[in-house]
Amino acid sequence: AQSVTQLGSHVSVSEGALVLLRCNYSSSVPPYLFWYVQYPNQGLQLLLKYTTGATLVKGINGFEAEFKKSETSFHLTKPSAHMSDAAEYFCAVDFGNEKLTFGTGTRLTIIP
Amino acid sequence: GAGVSQSPRYKVAKRGQDVALRCDPISGHVSLFWYQQALGQGPEFLTYFQNEAQLDKSGLPSDRFFAERPEGSVSTLKIQRTQQEDSAVYLCASSHLSGHGFDEQYFGPGTRLTVT
Repeated sequence: AQSVTQLGSHVSVSEGALVLLRCNYSSSVPPYLFWYVQYPNQGLQLLLKYTTGATLVKGINGFEAEFKKSETSFHLTKPSAHMSDAAEYFCAVDFGNEKLTFGTGTRLTIIP
Repeated sequence: GAGVSQSPRYKVAKRGQDVALRCDPISGHVSLFWYQQALGQGPEFLTYFQNEAQLDKSGLPSDRFFAERPEGSVSTLKIQRTQQEDSAVYLCASSHLSGHGFDEQYFGPGTRLTVT
């Protein structure tokens, strides 16, 4: 079955530290991969996406993610966390059927 | 407008009432999606339109849920005889062309439905 798994429902990092949010998927076909951010009482905003081509994708706000087909992963990273990065992050996958399948989300907390 | 808008932003309904949730997509966007986001969960797909055609409604949880987009622009999600398990945030998204992964889905702020 096609699924998306985000490891860690809550992640806390210190301001200035590396941010690493994990996402794995299961699929027999090459998917399209996305990371969205959601601030309280707001809709989802696209951070970055992988469709084809270079497997290291750069997004907004200094985030990037690397598609690793052998590991079926698309982990999100940012070298140095800012207080403004505190939010809920969702990994999402298009398995080729026009709709997005989301992970359960990771709440990122930044410690001053 | 500049983005996807949804109304109302908040809705409280008594169990058994019917509700209608509205989505105004970005002007000119062909595709429109509805998702349901329960508390503490990721959004889950409900249904998808391309223009006025409803191409996929496999995510609608029951026949109490009905969506339409009669003129290929504004969409309405209707829930009949609401139940407590319908309490969630309902998100609408639109994309320029097909819903294929190449086209970004732009999300509205959502409607938070609480059924009491």
